[in-house]
Amino acid sequence: KAGVTQTPRYLIKTRGQQVTLSCSPISGHRSVSWYQQTPGQGLQFLFEYFSETQRNKGNFPGRFSGRQFSNSRSEMNVSTLELGDSALYLCASSLGGLAGTYNEQFFGPGTRLTVL
Amino acid sequence: QKEVEQNSGPLSVPEGAIASLNCTYSDRVSQSFFWYRQYSGKSPELIMSIYSNGDKEDGRFTAQLNKASQYVSLLIRDSQPSDSATYLCAVKAVGSARQLTFGSGTQLTVLP
Repeated sequence: KAGVTQTPRYLIKTRGQQVTLSCSPISGHRSVSWYQQTPGQGLQFLFEYFSETQRNKGNFPGRFSGRQFSNSRSEMNVSTLELGDSALYLCASSLGGLAGTYNEQFFGPGTRLTVL
Repeated sequence: QKEVEQNSGPLSVPEGAIASLNCTYSDRVSQSFFWYRQYSGKSPELIMSIYSNGDKEDGRFTAQLNKASQYVSLLIRDSQPSDSATYLCAVKAVGSARQLTFGSGTQLTVLP
């Protein structure tokens, strides 16, 4: 079974631009979560989508948004990029149930975003 | 108080020794507990899940859970240099509105 895929793997943008990142979950997984990872802050939760609905949201500004499609693929968008948005953006998929192994999240390789 | 706390390390152990990684959590309704391994420059990889009090063994890895003490640990037996990585503890409470919360990770170095 194929793992979680993310595109693009690397991205360089300038301040003020916007960016869209894509995530394809493991086949059969209905939940996709997005994280931001920086050396100073560790893994920070952005949001989770389940069956095309945002189920949870972390403490990030409204410039960060996402969506999920009917095939469970997900995108996240960051508008008006700031230097501090430079980070590794990770998505993780899971079956999406409420407990046990349904919660196990499997990560994609990540998108390394650099904002100049 | 952080929701999930880990010693940041670095933790160094000689090859062949047992590495012990610890994690405490604050939310008493936490039900699912995970250990991830992250090599430098790579994404986290799930290595252990544990849901009930006690020990769970998988190869050289043993996860231990004590819900009364709000404590979960990971033991790595016969540590190898290839085990050198950052280990992340993650905790989730029951319910769809609860997210998976990660600790800041413990950096482990296994010395040849």
